[in-house]
Amino acid sequence: AQKVTQAQTEISVVEKEDVTLDCVYETRDTTYYLFWYKQPPSGELVFLIRRNSFDEQNEISGRYSWNFQKSTSSFNFTITASQVVDSAVYFCALSDLNQAGTALIFGKGTTLSVSS
Amino acid sequence: GAGVSQSPRYKVAKRGQDVALRCDPISGHVSLFWYQQALGQGPEFLTYFQNEAQLDKSGLPSDRFFAERPEGSVSTLKIQRTQQEDSAVYLCASSINHLNTEAFFGQGTRLTVV
Repeated sequence: AQKVTQAQTEISVVEKEDVTLDCVYETRDTTYYLFWYKQPPSGELVFLIRRNSFDEQNEISGRYSWNFQKSTSSFNFTITASQVVDSAVYFCALSDLNQAGTALIFGKGTTLSVSS
Repeated sequence: GAGVSQSPRYKVAKRGQDVALRCDPISGHVSLFWYQQALGQGPEFLTYFQNEAQLDKSGLPSDRFFAERPEGSVSTLKIQRTQQEDSAVYLCASSINHLNTEAFFGQGTRLTVV
C-alpha cells in the first residue's frame, strides 16, 4: 500500500529563518512521482514540484529546495529565509509514474506559520 | 477562465438534503479528479474521469455519492441524502492528458451539513 507521512503537524518560525518540512513515503512501486503542494487560506492547492523516482538530484528554485533520498524514502522541502507569505499548509504526495489516472496519495499536511 | 473553477464555494445543507457540486476544468484537459478533504487532513481520492469515461470510482465512500462528466468537460459531484460526516471540502483537479502529469486544483467547495 502507498502511504505518505508528514510527522510535523505545525511549525512556527520567525521571518528569515530557514525551515525544513519532512516527508516520508511508502510504496511497493519501483516507479513513482513525488509532489509538494501549497494550500494557502484561499483553499486551492498550488503545485510546487514533481520529481520522478529515477531522478534523485536535489533541486533548488529560488528560496525553495528539495532533498530526495530513496535510501530513506524521504522527500524533504526546505524554505530558506522564510517570509510571511510562506504561511500555508504544505502537502507532500505520491503517485504511480505510469498508470493513467492514478490518484495522488497525500500526507496530512504541515501547517507553517511565519511571523514577522 | 484560466484555472479550474468550482461552484458553489460554500454550501450549507440540512441533513438528508441532496447537493450538487460543479467543476469546470481547464479547457482541453483530459483527466479530471475529485478529492474530499476533511478538516485537518490531506485530500483523499474519490473518483477519476478520462474525458467522459469514469475509469475509477473506488474512492467514493458510499452509493450516496455519484459523479458524472457527460461531455468530457464540466463535471458534477452529487451527494444524496447528505449526512454530517459528508462535511468537508470537495476539490476538483484536472490535468492535460491521461498520464500523471501536473494536476491543477480548483479552490474547492466547502460543504457543511447541519
